Amino acid sequence: SQTIHQWPATLVQPVGSPLSLECTVEGTSNPNLYWYRQAAGRGLQLLFYSVGIGQISSEVPQNLSASRPQDRQFILSSKKLLLSDSGFYLCAYLRDGFYEQYFGPGTRLTVT
Amino acid sequence: DQQVKQNSPSLSVQEGRISILNCDYTNSMFDYFLWYKKYPAEGPTFLISISSIKDKNEDGRFTVFLNKSAKHLSLHIVPSQPGDSAVYFCAASARIQGAQKLVFGQGTRLTINP
Repeated sequence: SQTIHQWPATLVQPVGSPLSLECTVEGTSNPNLYWYRQAAGRGLQLLFYSVGIGQISSEVPQNLSASRPQDRQFILSSKKLLLSDSGFYLCAYLRDGFYEQYFGPGTRLTVT
Repeated sequence: DQQVKQNSPSLSVQEGRISILNCDYTNSMFDYFLWYKKYPAEGPTFLISISSIKDKNEDGRFTVFLNKSAKHLSLHIVPSQPGDSAVYFCAASARIQGAQKLVFGQGTRLTINP
């Protein structure tokens, strides 16, 4: 069976500090990987997706970047956080040939 | 430009009755539709889905209906239970530039009253 992990679970960072959120998937190979953000009271906004190692597509121009150094590892980064980066960040995976994306537990980021 | 809309931010239903959550979409390219359930501070959990070539899919207490001509889908929960209280997101799937993507609605907060 497949599992997806995210860490940290919560994070409080000052404005201007760097960010690194990590997501790993177990039990499947070559999944599509996704980063979403949910702002307070809003839906899920797709930020980045990846169909393979080193392949990153950005959905929304912003202060964030993503990388996929290994097949089942997806990293969300920022060099300098803004207050507007606060939110609930979710990683998801999709197995080839399927439609259902499965989500990790999420990271609550508060930028102060 | 919201391609997937859930026009009811909240819904309150009596335990044991039917809950009906609605979702509208605008893009005819969507080929698959999904419902997710989300508790606070947790990731969304996949609930049920339906292909665009079908009009109904049932799984236990959950049934999803799709009306393609109206670009409308709905999730029925019968009977509703207190544990069903959560935020429900509908999502529409499309393959764009070689990758499957989901577009989510804003969510509907369902409260089941005892």
